[in-house]
Amino acid sequence: DTGVSQDPRHKITKRGQNVTFRCDPISEHNRLYWYRQTLGQGPEFLTYFQNEAQLEKSRLLSDRFSAERPKGSFSTLEIQRTEQGDSAMYLCASSLGLTNEKLFFGSGTQLSVL
Amino acid sequence: GNSVTQMEGPVTLSEEAFLTINCTYTATGYPSLFWYVQYPGEGLQLLLKATKADDKGSNKGFEATYRKETTSFHLEKGSVQVSDSAVYFCALTNAGGTSYGKLTFGQGTILTVHP
Repeated sequence: DTGVSQDPRHKITKRGQNVTFRCDPISEHNRLYWYRQTLGQGPEFLTYFQNEAQLEKSRLLSDRFSAERPKGSFSTLEIQRTEQGDSAMYLCASSLGLTNEKLFFGSGTQLSVL
Repeated sequence: GNSVTQMEGPVTLSEEAFLTINCTYTATGYPSLFWYVQYPGEGLQLLLKATKADDKGSNKGFEATYRKETTSFHLEKGSVQVSDSAVYFCALTNAGGTSYGKLTFGQGTILTVHP
C-alpha cells in the first residue's frame, strides 16, 4: 500500500491557462474521488468514479472542469481557462467502494492562479 | 441539503488537557458520521466513524457519540498530547445507495497542543 499520490504538489499558472492534475489511487481501489478545498474551509466534493465510469458530478464542476479515469486506474482533472477563483487545494481520494468505509486521501495539488 | 457545522477555532490547549470539538449536522435520512484529521504536511486520515444513532466511534483515545436527538457528533479526548496538533474535520455521508463516498465536511478546527 503506497498510498494515494498526486502530481504536481504545487502549480502556479496565469489566468486563462489550462492546467491538468494527476491522481494515482491505491492499486486495488475501484472508487476515486476529487474534492476541492479552499483556505479555511473543509473539502467540497467535485466528482467520483467507479472504475472508469464517472458516476456523479457536483454543481461546483463547471464546464471548464473535466475529469477522466481511463481504464479505471489513474485519473486526471483538467481545468480550462483558469480563473483566480479556481485557486484551491485539489484533493484526490480512493476507496474499495464499500458502504461506510474510509477514504484514503492524497496530499493534494495546490493551485495558484495569478 | 446536507451541512456540517464545527465549533470555531483555533483551539489551543496544554498537554494532558481535556479536548472537546463540537460538531452538529443537518441531513436527510440517517447519515453516517466521521471525524477526519489532517496532520501538517499530510493527507486527510479517517480518525473514527459511527454509522447509526447512539454508536460511539473511538480511536487513539478520541471518542465521538452519534446523537440523533441533538444532531451532534462531538469529538472528545481525555488527555491531549503535542502530537495531536492537527486540523480536525467532521463529515457526513448519506448511507446507502451509491453515494456513500460523497462526504460533506465541516470547515475544520485547528488544534494546537503546547507542552
